[in-house]
Amino acid sequence: GNSVTQMEGPVTLSEEAFLTINCTYTATGYPSLFWYVQYPGEGLQLLLKATKADDKGSNKGFEATYRKETTSFHLEKGSVQVSDSAVYFCALRKDSGNTPLVFGKGTRLSVIA
Amino acid sequence: GAVVSQHPSRVICKSGTSVKIECRSLDFQATTMFWYRQFPKQSLMLMATSNEGSKATYEQGVEKDKFLINHASLTLSTLTVTSAHPEDSSFYICSASGGAGETQYFGPGTRLLVL
Repeated sequence: GNSVTQMEGPVTLSEEAFLTINCTYTATGYPSLFWYVQYPGEGLQLLLKATKADDKGSNKGFEATYRKETTSFHLEKGSVQVSDSAVYFCALRKDSGNTPLVFGKGTRLSVIA
Repeated sequence: GAVVSQHPSRVICKSGTSVKIECRSLDFQATTMFWYRQFPKQSLMLMATSNEGSKATYEQGVEKDKFLINHASLTLSTLTVTSAHPEDSSFYICSASGGAGETQYFGPGTRLLVL
């Protein structure tokens, strides 16, 4: 079946450090890939997405590239801020029909000043 | 982006009572709504998928008689936790989609605590 594996947290970084959160997936066909962010006490917000191989999603300084050859969608940011502290979820969705998202377990990021 | 609301945001109830959670799409018609459950420091687990006007499709292991889902209109779906018990305490999140391939928008979640 479809599944998403992302790196275990928590991840603690100093402000302005480089961030990478690894995500790999298993799926048949060509799913769409997503990163969602959940700030403390809030629901999930779409951070970025990519719908086909080699697409790069980007938003708020975050980037992720859909790598079909390595079945990966790693999240990166060049310089994190304290306000980026949150839980980040990698997810996939098969676009054949109105299908639900399949989530990874989430990675908690803490950025300290 | 599109807005999805949930009500209530937080509820505390006694064991054995029923609790209804509403999920509304405020500025688009949601043909499909999904209900997820999230335990502390865990990922979201899909409970069921509901399409407007038809019965919900439940994931394996989710009791349909305990978690009643109604999707009566294109902007509203409800989840009723019947005869709630402490183990039902969790964070319940809905998401709504306007159609196949459309972005899913998430509600802010409802935290349920059963005493």
